[in-house]
Amino acid sequence: DAGVIQSPRHEVTEMGQEVTLRCKPISGHNSLFWYRQTMMRGLELLIYFNNNVPIDDSGMPEDRFSAKMPNASFSTLKIQPSEPRDSAVYFCASSLVFWAEAFFGQGTRLTVV
Amino acid sequence: AQTVTQSQPEMSVQEAETVTLSCTYDTSESDYYLFWYKQPPSRQMILVIRQEAYKQQNATENRFSVNFQKAAKSFSLKISDSQLGDAAMYFCAYRSGGSQGNLIFGKGTKLSVKP
Repeated sequence: DAGVIQSPRHEVTEMGQEVTLRCKPISGHNSLFWYRQTMMRGLELLIYFNNNVPIDDSGMPEDRFSAKMPNASFSTLKIQPSEPRDSAVYFCASSLVFWAEAFFGQGTRLTVV
Repeated sequence: AQTVTQSQPEMSVQEAETVTLSCTYDTSESDYYLFWYKQPPSRQMILVIRQEAYKQQNATENRFSVNFQKAAKSFSLKISDSQLGDAAMYFCAYRSGGSQGNLIFGKGTKLSVKP
């Protein structure tokens, strides 16, 4: 298996622009997580899906952030409009079942200028 | 809500020596899972070891072992015979055993290995 695939690996955008991050989880996995990593705040859980249904989105910082999982093999995290403070590494992770470990993608480094 | 605390922002160990990284967590649940992840400079998150809360026996994976103290809600990671490749950020993580199984992380410990 190719593992969790995230795209793009790097994104540089201007403040106010819309940004869409993409994730393909490992085939057969039914849990999907989006995390944001910064030096100051560490790894923050943004949203968690189980069987394509959002279970906990309490970590989504603002209405500017939204996440979707239209099917078991694809998820997006959208930021609109983007702000410089959104600059971070965004990780997607998936797990086979709810008690299993999560496998991470390579992350997307987002820079908003 | 569950929380995970790693009280050591940085640690250092001499090559071939042993080091222990600390982790404590807070939960009211009885069924849960604990993990240690490693993040080298490549930023890839790599699973090091996992522990089921219902198991009394401490998990081991080669040079890596844990000291799981359920009553104290403590989950430390011991690295034996440290190698230069062990240098990385180490994250402790908690996952609820229920179907709403969020996976939350501590802030991490940066481990340096001196030759």
